[in-house]
Amino acid sequence: GESVGLHLPTLSVQEGDNSIINCAYSNSASDYFIWYKQESGKGPQFIIDIRSNMDKRQGQRVTVLLNKTVKHLSLQIAATQPGDSAVYFCAENDSGAGSYQLTFGKGTKLSVIP
Amino acid sequence: SAVISQKPSRDICQRGTSLTIQCQVDSQVTMMFWYRQQPGQSLTLIATANQGSEATYESGFVIDKFPISRPNLTFSTLTVSNMSPEDSSIYLCSVESRDLGGLAGYGEQFFGPGTRLTVL
Repeated sequence: GESVGLHLPTLSVQEGDNSIINCAYSNSASDYFIWYKQESGKGPQFIIDIRSNMDKRQGQRVTVLLNKTVKHLSLQIAATQPGDSAVYFCAENDSGAGSYQLTFGKGTKLSVIP
Repeated sequence: SAVISQKPSRDICQRGTSLTIQCQVDSQVTMMFWYRQQPGQSLTLIATANQGSEATYESGFVIDKFPISRPNLTFSTLTVSNMSPEDSSIYLCSVESRDLGGLAGYGEQFFGPGTRLTVL
């Protein structure tokens, strides 16, 4: 089904502060999760992923946390920079269903205040 | 990763006409995906296009409205037929990393830059 929502949630963060973007996913069978960043006029860009056998994964300046009990995913961005301003989407996949499809969350717009 | 290009990057079309969007990948891939992103919203999967077989459409999307071609392993087209203003969206194609030699069992999708369609 399609996402329903006229307005994206917005998070405003001061440059240099840490950002936390949250996502609630719907399918308890999902076992693979991805965070994407979408800048204006561009396609989504892969940031970081995590599998359901992990609860935390770190990348460069980014950390993804997974709480399967409450079906919650978060993306933490350390020392947020103006270049981090974008819309962030979480996506989930249930590989056990034999499907390669990703289901995307609604997205959060991150605005970094210089 | 993969380099994915789309044509056109944007277009403004009249109601009732059709537009064909092209997606080109620099690697051979089995599956290509077509998404729609309505203004201010998330991505919704339209269909999965496998080379050599008919596309598989998601609920709410039909072949008559969104015919897809997949003539080879590096190319696909999506046509938006008999357009109305409600079809104004960004249309994106993507490929899956497992097709590109990623780890078996999991894989992120790589997206093209999108085609921004406005229907008047």
